[in-house]
Amino acid sequence: GNSVTQMEGPVTLSEEAFLTINCTYTATGYPSLFWYVQYPGEGLQLLLKATKADDKGSNKGFEATYRKETTSFHLEKGSVQVSDSAVYFCALLSGNTGKLIFGQGTTLQVKP
Amino acid sequence: EAGVTQSPTHLIKTRGQQATLRCSPISGHTSVYWYQQALGLGLQFLLWYDEGEERNRGNFPPRFSGRQFPNYSSELNVNALELEDSALYLCASSRDRSYEQYFGPGTRLTVT
Repeated sequence: GNSVTQMEGPVTLSEEAFLTINCTYTATGYPSLFWYVQYPGEGLQLLLKATKADDKGSNKGFEATYRKETTSFHLEKGSVQVSDSAVYFCALLSGNTGKLIFGQGTTLQVKP
Repeated sequence: EAGVTQSPTHLIKTRGQQATLRCSPISGHTSVYWYQQALGLGLQFLLWYDEGEERNRGNFPPRFSGRQFPNYSSELNVNALELEDSALYLCASSRDRSYEQYFGPGTRLTVT
């Protein structure tokens, strides 16, 4: 079945460090891929998406490229801020199911 | 543009009771989705409603049910509450079947 695997957290970085959160997926066909962010006590915010191979999603300095050959959608940011501290979820949407399948989430802690 | 709204913010029930959670989608969105975020279980898809019809259902027992109203708002009902139903319930909406899902802040259900 379809699944998403994210790197274990927490990830702890100093401000202005480079961020990579790994995400790989297993799916039939050509799923759409998403990154969501959840700040403490809040719901999920859509961060970025990609709908086909080699698409690059970007938003607020975050980027992720849909790599079909490696079934990956790694999240990157060149310079993190304390305000980026949150839980990040990678997700896929397969076919006409309406169902997002989420990874387990990766907690990011950015220290000043 | 107002986002997805959910009510109540918090709900405390005792085992065996029924809970009703409400969701109002973003204006212009016709699809509503429900997810459960339980500690240790991650984000699990519950239900998808589109144009008033249930389109897909996750792996949850029948005591989890819902409906979508003509104005596209939605209710999630949980009957015969069990302790393990304690979780954050997130509602999301999307325009048509675009599947770009936008989430509300959630309802925290506690079953004692």
